[in-house]
Amino acid sequence: SQQGEEDPQALSIQEGENATMNCSYKTSINNLQWYRQNSGRGLVHLILIRSNEREKHSGRLRVTLDTSKKSSSLLITASRAADTASYFCATVPGMDSSYKLIFGSGTRLLVRP
Amino acid sequence: GAGVSQSPRYKVTKRGQDVALRCDPISGHVSLYWYRQALGQGPEFLTYFNYEAQQDKSGLPNDRFSAERPEGSISTLTIQRTEQRDSAMYRCASSLVVSSYEQYFGPGTRLTVT
Repeated sequence: SQQGEEDPQALSIQEGENATMNCSYKTSINNLQWYRQNSGRGLVHLILIRSNEREKHSGRLRVTLDTSKKSSSLLITASRAADTASYFCATVPGMDSSYKLIFGSGTRLLVRP
Repeated sequence: GAGVSQSPRYKVTKRGQDVALRCDPISGHVSLYWYRQALGQGPEFLTYFNYEAQQDKSGLPNDRFSAERPEGSISTLTIQRTEQRDSAMYRCASSLVVSSYEQYFGPGTRLTVT
């Protein structure tokens, strides 16, 4: 069973606009990660945020984490057509099973040129 | 350097046949993980190895699924007597250190059971 639920399931925006995706999870976590999956290709790791962090930046990506609400958001600024992909959050449970990535169902992002 | 590779990339098989999916991890990576991804969903954990030892197989759906990594490098996921519900993308990942959440994923094998 999957822990994460992502919202929205699909998002269509114009190039240059910002895209925001949300992830909610159920149990306590060690960290939360975001991945991108292009059509027909593998999963690419984007960013990791630890449970004691609230915000993290990487290039055009901004991730926030609210452990009290068990939620995270991924913001992509100034989107490009090449950002078209599915985006997944993955939570890492506590130390006993820190190897087991638990993925959400993903947000399909379409960036229109 | 080379990433995780998987073969075949696509496999079409008839119901009832056995299939073997191969994963070649990044050189030097000690742990290897298998996930299954249904269409429109995120990957789900199946099993993983530290070196040649299978550590957790709690995600394997039933006893038709098995995995091995006999020499601590290449791994094979075998599905016996395939059923249509086994159709999915099977993804492999590896990590440099044992039991790590820092995993590098391969391109996957798309399995279709007809």
